[in-house]
Amino acid sequence: EVQLVESGGGLVQPGGSLRLSCAASGFTFSSYAMTWVRQAPGKGLEWVSAISHSDGTTYYTDSVKGRFTISRDNSKNTLYLQMSSLRADDTAVYFCAKGPSGNYYPSVWGKGTTVTVSS
Amino acid sequence: QSVLTQPPSVSGAPGQRVTISCTGSSSNIGAGYDVHWYQQLPGTAPKLLIYGNTNRPSGVPDRFSGSKSGTSASLAITGLQAEDAADYYCQSYDSSLLWVFGGGTKVTVL
Repeated sequence: EVQLVESGGGLVQPGGSLRLSCAASGFTFSSYAMTWVRQAPGKGLEWVSAISHSDGTTYYTDSVKGRFTISRDNSKNTLYLQMSSLRADDTAVYFCAKGPSGNYYPSVWGKGTTVTVSS
Repeated sequence: QSVLTQPPSVSGAPGQRVTISCTGSSSNIGAGYDVHWYQQLPGTAPKLLIYGNTNRPSGVPDRFSGSKSGTSASLAITGLQAEDAADYYCQSYDSSLLWVFGGGTKVTVL
């Protein structure tokens, strides 16, 4: 069974940093693109970042470019999201998701981890 | 404001048919990119409901169906059931913004 388990969320002050992790199991992690999607309280889904399975090509939504870095460790079956210069509007539940073979849209989602940016 | 426009809410009585529209533009749906639909039950993570415009993943009831035409797509739920009360999101690819979601539609079963 495919499982994605996010961790690393918490309360952080504006301007601070946080690293989210997503532990994957039940599939060959190195063969699939991975994605981060977030959902602010009471709001809709927002695609944040994606990383290819093969050459590590990364993609970001404009609002996080230069502040967030997506990476993966295929030896540990883990996806990461390094977040810095955090702002109040980064407050959200962050979901990790697996793409289907050869594609990036989220086909399987984790349960999410909550990030709160507040002083 | 989302690049993909969905109605904020739709409602129907049990057994009825409801549809949710997802309107895009020539840079996303109209450019031929696939549309995918997700169901998010209260307090849970989203779940893939329809992929590639019309396809249902294994385990999704056949009362859910998707279609696409021009710059729009639709999700239909026939034989509405109480357990279908949820938020529904469309998603596609945009040539400028990359992967984008609709604003979401809350389905209420009366």
